[in-house]
Amino acid sequence: SQTIHQWPATLVQPVGSPLSLECTVEGTSNPNLYWYRQAAGRGLQLLFYSVGIGQISSEVPQNLSASRPQDRQFILSSKKLLLSDSGFYLCAWGDSPLHFGNGTRLTVT
Amino acid sequence: RKEVEQDPGPFNVPEGATVAFNCTYSNSASQSFFWYRQDCRKEPKLLMSVYSSGNEDGRFTAQLNRASQYISLLIRDSKLSDSATYLCVVNLVGGSQGNLIFGKGTKLSVKP
Repeated sequence: SQTIHQWPATLVQPVGSPLSLECTVEGTSNPNLYWYRQAAGRGLQLLFYSVGIGQISSEVPQNLSASRPQDRQFILSSKKLLLSDSGFYLCAWGDSPLHFGNGTRLTVT
Repeated sequence: RKEVEQDPGPFNVPEGATVAFNCTYSNSASQSFFWYRQDCRKEPKLLMSVYSSGNEDGRFTAQLNRASQYISLLIRDSKLSDSATYLCVVNLVGGSQGNLIFGKGTKLSVKP
């Protein structure tokens, strides 16, 4: 069966520091992969999706970036975090429906 | 108009009650519909897909009205464990991947 792993679970970072969140999927090949963010009191916002290695589509302009160095690995990064980057970050795989990882709760201080 | 709108909530109901959530979507080309459940500080999990003819899974019934661009979720005999936020999700047809549009969710609190 397919499983998705996302880490870390929680993260507290100062403004201006870099960010790297990692997500891996097991049990499937060439999955569609997604990064979502859920800010407090708001809905899920699609940040990036990828249909294959090295193929990244950005949905929202921001100071975040994503990379897919391997078929089942998806990384969310930032060179300098902003206070507004705080939120619950979710990696997902699939098409319709999606299956989510456990999420990373990021607090930028 | 927002792409996916849900009842504002929160819904506070006693155990055993029947509760219904509504959701409207703006894009008539939408093809797939889902309900997800999200527990506090956890990831969303698929509750059920919504089929054109309506479908039932135990105490949960989902219905779709394409003419009115409206879907619903009915929970019968509510349990304490049903307390969560329920997200309405719509998949747009065509265009890029990442076509799933999530509603903001409706919070349900089932009380003893």
